[in-house]
Amino acid sequence: GQQVMQIPQYQHVQEGEDFTTYCNSSTTLSNIQWYKQRPGGHPVFLIQLVKSGEVKKQKRLTFQFGEAKKNSSLHITATQTTDVGTYFCAGGETSYDKVIFGPGTSLSVIP
Amino acid sequence: DGGITQSPKYLFRKEGQNVTLSCEQNLNHDAMYWYRQDPGQGLRLIYYSQIVNDFQKGDIAEGYSVSREKKESFPLTVTSAQKNPTAFYLCASSTRTGGAGQPQHFGDGTRLSIL
Repeated sequence: GQQVMQIPQYQHVQEGEDFTTYCNSSTTLSNIQWYKQRPGGHPVFLIQLVKSGEVKKQKRLTFQFGEAKKNSSLHITATQTTDVGTYFCAGGETSYDKVIFGPGTSLSVIP
Repeated sequence: DGGITQSPKYLFRKEGQNVTLSCEQNLNHDAMYWYRQDPGQGLRLIYYSQIVNDFQKGDIAEGYSVSREKKESFPLTVTSAQKNPTAFYLCASSTRTGGAGQPQHFGDGTRLSIL
């Protein structure tokens, strides 16, 4: 079955450093979604990418969808303490009626 | 405001007891989902429903049951057959417009502990 993996599992950065998390699917995706879960909170939808090679930006966050639509990345420039949390990618396929969540990358930011 | 409401926020279960977690949405979404999250772990799909009166098992359905009698409601029952129920339970919903796998909106979750 479809699997979605993320690396790294954990990342500790100094405030102001950049951060990147990578997402890889075992199958070709119709879309990729990114969510953020703050400690003690629930996942919140950030963005969806649907086109091959697509790049989208939200302030300091840059999201990319690979040309083969099997991988994606989230890059945060100059991290802040408000970026702390777990970032999940989730892959959708046309043949599935649900998305498959990756295991998440937990980001800690040291002030 | 539209959203998803889960209740209760905290729930304690005794041995051999069934408990039901409530999930209500007023987003007019067709699809609803239940996930289980253990400390430091990702989301594991328990059950999902794409339409009223229909639902499918997810990856860890054993020991759980659901119903979908109304579009707005998707309650989850944790049965006594679930031997390790302590976890954070999240309900989510999404549209089906534009095809499958649309972005999901999550409730605040229910933390279930066993006494």
